[in-house]
Amino acid sequence: GAGVSQTPSNKVTEKGKYVELRCDPISGHTALYWYRQSLGQGPEFLIYFQGTGAADDSGLPNDRFFAVRPEGSVSTLKIQRTERGDSAVYLCASSLTGGLRETQYFGPGTRLLVL
Amino acid sequence: GIQVEQSPPDLILQEGANSTLRCNFSDSVNNLQWFHQNPWGQLINLFYIPSGTKQNGRLSATTVATERYSLLYISSSQTTDSGVYFCAVIAGNAGNMLTFGGGTRLMVKP
Repeated sequence: GAGVSQTPSNKVTEKGKYVELRCDPISGHTALYWYRQSLGQGPEFLIYFQGTGAADDSGLPNDRFFAVRPEGSVSTLKIQRTERGDSAVYLCASSLTGGLRETQYFGPGTRLLVL
Repeated sequence: GIQVEQSPPDLILQEGANSTLRCNFSDSVNNLQWFHQNPWGQLINLFYIPSGTKQNGRLSATTVATERYSLLYISSSQTTDSGVYFCAVIAGNAGNMLTFGGGTRLMVKP
């Protein structure tokens, strides 16, 4: 596609429920990143994929968060037993090969609200 | 980890005015990007500028890597420039995740 796309745009769920957030990177980009942005703050890194594998998951806050990228393109961020503190905008980005000196391009985000 | 500080945190301008936004970082960087987050939340790439100077229309940016700062200049501001401006860096020895500053919230009044 022309840019990074994310679905859904908005997600409202109840505390304790399971949610899945989807990211479709720019076509041909092998590197994919997830970030989380809380209200009034800058985005914070969650996880980085190179191809199908998670090359760096050091930003995942706890084991309720998990992400996959089974075919090296679309990625799904999964959150189990959601908590109110998980409410945030979840942003996905992609870059061509994951090189340190590449531009990362961001999608529009998924706004998650946990009631 | 690397610290990224942006100033000012908030800025109100009259349409047509010029402004300078600053980004200080605490360590050497491989990558520095400036973004504009519009009122709908989309992060729009403005510049990839780990060093040197670039210009794009009314916007320009300069990074002095040896002194660990970057500046974003907005000239002849327009109401559509409103939003939050973020500086983000990839530190020299810490993987390839972007570390963001806290942003500068800009409001341009007509």
